[in-house]
Amino acid sequence: SQTIHQWPATLVQPVGSPLSLECTVEGTSNPNLYWYRQAAGRGLQLLFYSVGIGQISSEVPQNLSASRPQDRQFILSSKKLLLSDSGFYLCAWSVRGAGGELFFGEGSRLTVL
Amino acid sequence: SQQGEEDPQALSIQEGENATMNCSYKTSINNLQWYRQNSGRGLVHLILIRSNEREKHSGRLRVTLDTSKKSSSLLITASRAADTASYFCATGRTGGFKTIFGAGTRLFVKA
Repeated sequence: SQTIHQWPATLVQPVGSPLSLECTVEGTSNPNLYWYRQAAGRGLQLLFYSVGIGQISSEVPQNLSASRPQDRQFILSSKKLLLSDSGFYLCAWSVRGAGGELFFGEGSRLTVL
Repeated sequence: SQQGEEDPQALSIQEGENATMNCSYKTSINNLQWYRQNSGRGLVHLILIRSNEREKHSGRLRVTLDTSKKSSSLLITASRAADTASYFCATGRTGGFKTIFGAGTRLFVKA
């Protein structure tokens, strides 16, 4: 069966520090991969999606970046965090193709102080 | 901007009652999906309805889709305290890879 792992689950970082959130998927090949951010009590904002290794589409211009070094690995990074980067970050995958069911990780809660 | 908008933003009902949540969207879609999120957790997919379908059932869930009005509804029948969660609609656009979420409805079911 397919599983998705996301870590770390919680982190507190000072403003200006770097960030790396990692997501890996097991039990499937060639998935679409997604990073979403959720502000407290709000909906999900799509940040990045990827349909293949090295292929990243950015939805929101900001100081975050994403990379897909392997088929089932998706990394969200920042060189210098801002206060506004605080939030709940969710990784998700879907079967290759358009607009199908998403399978989510348990999320990473980031607090920037 | 968000594709889907849920209504109401929050809903409080007694156990055993039905809960209805509505979703409106703006552009053409391949499908519309509903997800559930327990506090502080990831989202769980509940049901997907395709643009050529009008109604779909899954257990106590009933989803309708009206593409002429660009709207959908999720009905949870005979609600339980365990149904307390946030519910989100999400749309998959025609020809696209992205799934866009609305702001969600917070459902609270009182025992």
